[in-house]
Amino acid sequence: EAGVVQSPRYKIIEKKQPVAFWCNPISGHNTLYWYLQNLGQGPELLIRYENEEAVDDSQLPKDRFSAERLKGVDSTLKIQPAELGDSAVYLCASSLGDEAYGADTQYFGPGTRLTVL
Amino acid sequence: AQSVAQPEDQVNVAEGNPLTVKCTYSVSGNPYLFWYVQYPNRGLQFLLKYITGDNLVKGSYGFEAEFNKSQTSFHLKKPSALVSDSALYFCAVRDVYNFNKFYFGSGTKLNVKP
Repeated sequence: EAGVVQSPRYKIIEKKQPVAFWCNPISGHNTLYWYLQNLGQGPELLIRYENEEAVDDSQLPKDRFSAERLKGVDSTLKIQPAELGDSAVYLCASSLGDEAYGADTQYFGPGTRLTVL
Repeated sequence: AQSVAQPEDQVNVAEGNPLTVKCTYSVSGNPYLFWYVQYPNRGLQFLLKYITGDNLVKGSYGFEAEFNKSQTSFHLKKPSALVSDSALYFCAVRDVYNFNKFYFGSGTKLNVKP
């Protein structure tokens, strides 16, 4: 079974430029998550989708970040414009979403390492 | 308020010795608890989880964890450490009373020396 796929793996951009990350979850997984991981820290949730609906985007900085999951499968996370402080690893995860009360397991992709110069 | 804490930034253990990586949590109601491992330049890999039932949970690669409700802890253990176990370990908790939010600890770096 293929895992969560993310691209690109690495991205270097100048500040104020836009950037986009793509995630393809495990087939059949209804729930998709985007996390931000700063160096030496645990991941922090940015947004959670159940199918195509964003059910928790309370931690997403909406002035510059946006996300979409149009057909309930692939997802894109965008930053526009990027700032120096956005340098981090952006992780995508997916889960079946079929266990009651959030007991299902999340499976993570390898992440995209963003460097903003 | 922090929902999950990993009090040790780093744990050092000799190969063949038992290892423990500590985790404590603070959420309302019954917690759902998870352990993940992260190798350099890789995503997080699921090790095990506690949802309900037996307090001792067995997971991948010989790891196990014990849920202790009175101490609000979920420590990760392995009877005999391998050099290949060296990695970053994250404890996580799902707060089912707070929109199913998922919180990760800050991580513990495990160093297993030959």
